Amino acid sequence: DQQVKQNSPSLSVQEGRISILNCDYTNSMFDYFLWYKKYPAEGPTFLISISSIKDKNEDGRFTVFLNKSAKHLSLHIVPSQPGDSAVYFCAASGGDTPLVFGKGTRLSVIA
Amino acid sequence: KAGVTQTPRYLIKTRGQQVTLSCSPISGHRSVSWYQQTPGQGLQFLFEYFSETQRNKGNFPGRFSGRQFSNSRSEMNVSTLELGDSALYLCASREGSNYGYTFGSGTRLTVV
Repeated sequence: DQQVKQNSPSLSVQEGRISILNCDYTNSMFDYFLWYKKYPAEGPTFLISISSIKDKNEDGRFTVFLNKSAKHLSLHIVPSQPGDSAVYFCAASGGDTPLVFGKGTRLSVIA
Repeated sequence: KAGVTQTPRYLIKTRGQQVTLSCSPISGHRSVSWYQQTPGQGLQFLFEYFSETQRNKGNFPGRFSGRQFSNSRSEMNVSTLELGDSALYLCASREGSNYGYTFGSGTRLTVV
C-alpha cells in the first residue's frame, strides 16, 4: 500500500516556464514533507521541506504548497532551467517514523 | 562538514554470496537509515538505527540486516544474495526527527 504517491512518472517543460510536480499521501499522521532531487548514480539531494503547520514554503525558484485537507502537496519551479532536469522524489514522515518516499517524477526541461 | 560516506561505490557479487556495505554519517548525526532503490520502485525503506538501536524496520526478508556502532557508523549485510537484490543501496543520516535526511552517493550492487 503506497502511502506517498507521485502519479506522474515524467514531465516535460520548456525552459523558462513553470514546472509543477504533484504528490498525494494517505497517512494523516504525516506532519513533515520534503522534496528531493536525484541525478543518476548519485544519492538524492534535499531540496525543500514543509511542516504541516504551514501551507507554503519558498526557497528561491522553488515553492512547496501543502493542502492538508486534500492530503496533497506540490512543488513549483519557476523559472525552470535545463539543470533542473532530474528525478524528483516527494517524501513524508510523522514523529520518529522513517521517511516514506514516492516513486519519483522525471522532469525534463527542454531548452 | 564531511557528507555521508558510503563504501564501496560499486560491487559485483554472485548469487548465494553475502555482502556488507558501510556508511559513515555526518559528524554529530546519530540516526542512520538505509534505503534500496530499484528502477520503478522509488526508495524502499530498509531500516533505521539510532544510538546503536534499530528503531524502525521495513518490509524486507531476514536476509537483510544491519547494525550501528558507537561512533554512529553503520553497516548493512545481505546474505544469500539473489538476482533481485541488484539495486542502489542508499544510506542517509539526520540530526533527529523532523529533519531531512542527508544521503550518501550510494553503493551500486550487482548480483550475477
